[in-house]
Amino acid sequence: DTEVTQTPKHLVMGMTNKKSLKCEQHMGHRAMYWYKQKAKKPPELMFVYSYEKLSINESVPSRFSPECPNSSLLNLHLHALQPEDSALYLCASSQFQGAVSQVSYEQYFGPGTRLTVT
Amino acid sequence: SQKIEQNSEALNIQEGKTATLTCNYTNYSPAYLQWYRQDPGRGPVFLLLIRENEKEKRKERLKVTFDTTLKQSLFHITASQPADSATYLCAEGGLPMDTGRRALTFGSGTRLQVQP
Repeated sequence: DTEVTQTPKHLVMGMTNKKSLKCEQHMGHRAMYWYKQKAKKPPELMFVYSYEKLSINESVPSRFSPECPNSSLLNLHLHALQPEDSALYLCASSQFQGAVSQVSYEQYFGPGTRLTVT
Repeated sequence: SQKIEQNSEALNIQEGKTATLTCNYTNYSPAYLQWYRQDPGRGPVFLLLIRENEKEKRKERLKVTFDTTLKQSLFHITASQPADSATYLCAEGGLPMDTGRRALTFGSGTRLQVQP
């Protein structure tokens, strides 16, 4: 199974709402990622989890809160978002990539959650 | 800081021709470059990875080259088909800042349209 699943597919939320995006993979990957993609722009990295621990936070505002409950699941909790946060949110996973000398692995992306903040 | 540049925003070609897409990097030579395909409203799909010490990689109708002198990777699709129409993204994993750090930096992508 080489699939990364994301729920929901679409989400509309108001600026005072709290919602969560979910991501799941069963490939045994120990690195998982959240990306944000605006229209006609490339994906931009938000967070990286390695072995269920947050290893990278790309200066993302605190209204985005990631969580990795176990090696297969990744959540993104949303609170008090702004309209400019509307975007496609992509989850990805890969084999753990350690030192420079080790093999580098491709990332498997989910279909994304289309988020609209009103 | 490293930038990944895909200077052609869009490329239109006729079916059966070879599509050639360009990816340039501005700073250090990355350990590897990856190419992804993205269809509208979908997540990117991995196509090929080429390492710094590899000059060329092939997979079916796809070919990728890596020229560290020109700081450039070329992505070719031979015998192109309308089904190849999509946005193609170049990405590099950079240098590790700490153990486990291998996040991708993407270029802006090239939208390929293959006309029947």
